[in-house]
Amino acid sequence: DTAVSQTPKYLVTQMGNDKSIKCEQNLGHDTMYWYKQDSKKFLKIMFSYNNKELIINETVPNRFSPKSPDKAHLNLHINSLELGDSAVYFCASSQDLIRRLAESQETQYFGPGTRLLVL
Amino acid sequence: GEDVEQSLFLSVREGDSSVINCTYTDSSSTYLYWYKQEPGAGLQLLTYIFSNMDMKQDQRLTVLLNKKDKHLSLRIADTQTGDSAIYFCAESMRGTYKYIFGTGTRLKVLA
Repeated sequence: DTAVSQTPKYLVTQMGNDKSIKCEQNLGHDTMYWYKQDSKKFLKIMFSYNNKELIINETVPNRFSPKSPDKAHLNLHINSLELGDSAVYFCASSQDLIRRLAESQETQYFGPGTRLLVL
Repeated sequence: GEDVEQSLFLSVREGDSSVINCTYTDSSSTYLYWYKQEPGAGLQLLTYIFSNMDMKQDQRLTVLLNKKDKHLSLRIADTQTGDSAIYFCAESMRGTYKYIFGTGTRLKVLA
């Protein structure tokens, strides 16, 4: 049973292209995230959605646009890809904030990652 | 401010104990976490500790929290070659959705 899944696992593309990465979670969580992990393995949050509403939007180029069709899905669309976009992108999910605090559930689950290489 | 720091590398011999350290700056942290990332894989939650606890033990893992010094450590007893990975500490703040991750410590276990 896959808790947080991402597709594709690998993505190789040319500069200037537009691409999307999909994420789905079957944990019943309300909050989903996108992280970027660079070549030095530093992990930075990019976006977070709670119940389809954007709640965290870090300093990310506006070429990156997250879309949440429902609370189980958070997709990441990237326009005009650049060399510096090459990284591993991780999706994650966690329980709704209020329920986390009330039920002492405080865990964030990660997907396997999408390795993006821009040539 | 928000900053979580870890030493980048740690090398131990198989069977020894490993201690991975982490310092954080935000005193409003609610939970502190340890994640493990194996090569080519995602992050796997190992354990977490609530900020009002000093210690948590789970089989070979012991987490120590010194809230005064804002220092978190993960001790792995009887380290095995399968423990070789990158270990991330992370913090989350009460009332926010934000998780801040450390820089990661690469643990190498020598046979």
